[in-house]
Amino acid sequence: GQNIDQPTEMTATEGAIVQINCTYQTSGFNGLFWYQQHAGEAPTFLSYNVLDGLEEKGRFSSFLSRSKGYSYLLLKELQMKDSASYLCAVGGGDSSYKLIFGSGTRLLVRP
Amino acid sequence: DADVTQTPRNRITKTGKRIMLECSQTKGHDRMYWYRQDPGLGLRLIYYSFDVKDINKGEISDGYSVSRQAQAKFSLSLESAIPNQTALYFCATSDPPDRGERELFFGEGSRLTVL
Repeated sequence: GQNIDQPTEMTATEGAIVQINCTYQTSGFNGLFWYQQHAGEAPTFLSYNVLDGLEEKGRFSSFLSRSKGYSYLLLKELQMKDSASYLCAVGGGDSSYKLIFGSGTRLLVRP
Repeated sequence: DADVTQTPRNRITKTGKRIMLECSQTKGHDRMYWYRQDPGLGLRLIYYSFDVKDINKGEISDGYSVSRQAQAKFSLSLESAIPNQTALYFCATSDPPDRGERELFFGEGSRLTVL
């Protein structure tokens, strides 16, 4: 079966660092994606990992361990505008490369 | 202008009515998708199309149909809307994985309320 788990909600303080975890069990794997979604808006792409390790992009980093079925998104120097939902998605292992999404983690950044 | 455009952005309708949500894109992507988003359930795939002659069911296709009128246009229909189809609907596009960009590009969403 297909299952992607991430925490429902997290709270952090402006200027701090927060780590959002994602674990997955899927019938195949063609990469792991993180998207950011502000309330009522479209998801926007943040990062893509297909090999184990850390990918850094400015204040955001994403880590993948394929053997553990685990990823995390690390947000540094948090800003108020980072308050949003963060969606973990796995590319399916069949030829379609369809994305399967987790339910999302709602992050609230407080002053 | 947005690369992926959805119309209407908001729609309120009654049970039993036929509804069409339209999506057009200027990204030149072959692949188009329809997702619905419900609180606590994330994004779920309804239908997807990899080219004009290709239509595939996703996780939750019952009660929905689609039409790929052209490479740039992909519409979603609810033949007889019911209240549990109240949701936020997103159209998305992508390139095939071998063309570089792997991510989905989303439209701004269509909020549908069925009374």
